[in-house]
Amino acid sequence: DAGVTQSPTHLIKTRGQQVTLRCSPKSGHDTVSWYQQALGQGPQFIFQYYEEEERQRGNFPDRFSGHQFPNYSSELNVNALLLGDSALYLCASSLALGQSGANVLTFGAGSRLTVL
Amino acid sequence: LAKTTQPISMDSYEGQEVNITCSHNNIATNDYITWYQQFPSQGPRFIIQGYKTKVTNEVASLFIPADRKSSTLSLPRVSLSDTAVYYCLVGDYGGSQGNLIFGKGTKLSVKP
Repeated sequence: DAGVTQSPTHLIKTRGQQVTLRCSPKSGHDTVSWYQQALGQGPQFIFQYYEEEERQRGNFPDRFSGHQFPNYSSELNVNALLLGDSALYLCASSLALGQSGANVLTFGAGSRLTVL
Repeated sequence: LAKTTQPISMDSYEGQEVNITCSHNNIATNDYITWYQQFPSQGPRFIIQGYKTKVTNEVASLFIPADRKSSTLSLPRVSLSDTAVYYCLVGDYGGSQGNLIFGKGTKLSVKP
């Protein structure tokens, strides 16, 4: 049973560029959340997708956008990259909103983004 | 939003029991307490979750007093591989992830 898979694992971009990160949720999960984790910090919630819609959003600018596909996979897009966007981007999947245990997250290994 | 407070770091030796306490004074009635473990360059991994009293699984125990304003994660007989950052989260059972706040966690260092 595959867990959460993310791609790419590492990438390097320059300021002003755009990046797309991809995530496939754990089998049986249909809710996907994205987190940003800077070095030495805990993960910060970006947004959550369920039924192909953004359901909740953290304190991130509109440069951060996402999408969820009918097969529950998801993408995170970041436009106009800044140096401060360098971080580990984590995808987490969970059961459908409202289900018992939906607050238990299964995380992927993350995508390490470096902005030069 | 229910915020949590944990020690920044803890040291232990192999074979000892480690107890990490988390404070969550404004926990809501619908909130559950969940602990995650994170190794460097990996995503956090679920350890244990509870609502009240005591919960035990194959890797840890979680103690929650009656007022639920704190909780203690207990790791029995730690080994070097338990060196990691441990996060305590408080959030409602329905999965509103926006309400789940990761602090800086507790960095546990296990020495031989």
